[in-house]
Amino acid sequence: GQSLEQPSEVTAVEGAIVQINCTYQTSGFYGLSWYQQHDGGAPTFLSYNALDGLEETGRFSSFLSRSDSYGYLLLQELQMKDSASYFCAVLGGGFKTIFGAGTRLFVKA
Amino acid sequence: DVKVTQSSRYLVKRTGEKVFLECVQDMDHENMFWYRQDPGLGLRLIYFSYDVKMKEKGDIPEGYSVSREKKERFSLILESASTNQTSMYLCASSLLTTGTGSHGTDTQYFGPGTRLTVL
Repeated sequence: GQSLEQPSEVTAVEGAIVQINCTYQTSGFYGLSWYQQHDGGAPTFLSYNALDGLEETGRFSSFLSRSDSYGYLLLQELQMKDSASYFCAVLGGGFKTIFGAGTRLFVKA
Repeated sequence: DVKVTQSSRYLVKRTGEKVFLECVQDMDHENMFWYRQDPGLGLRLIYFSYDVKMKEKGDIPEGYSVSREKKERFSLILESASTNQTSMYLCASSLLTTGTGSHGTDTQYFGPGTRLTVL
């Protein structure tokens, strides 16, 4: 079957760096995306990796290793407003997007 | 800015009722999607569409159908609502370029969601 695994919760302090990992097992792979969702809000797109390596967008970076079926989202200089759920998602066979169950990030002062 | 709107934020229906959830996007996107979101399960794909009058089953299509008569509108239909269909329903749209090389992307834009309760 197809599955994405990510931690259910992560806690970090303001100003710190946090890494959210995602491992996947899918039939077909085109790329790995990350989305952020605040409580009561809609998911918003953060990044997409089709190729191996690190993509940086401001305080957020995303990494992909296709050979390891693994990726991560790196959040630097954490702010209270970063407290949210983060979902990894794979664009796989049949151009279907499969989402992980989400990681709830708590940022403490 | 891309705007995806959904017809209702909250909806309460009774078991056995036919339910229509409407989604409209204003960016001329080819692709549209319906997901349901439940605690601990993430987003699960119900149906998606790559073009007008075209539909593809997602991972959990049972009990649902869809309609796409116009490019900007994608409707989700619960033929006979059941209590296990109580959930948050999210619509999304995207321009998909196949993910080869650095030009690939799967950026999906989501609507605000409809919280459906079936009694």
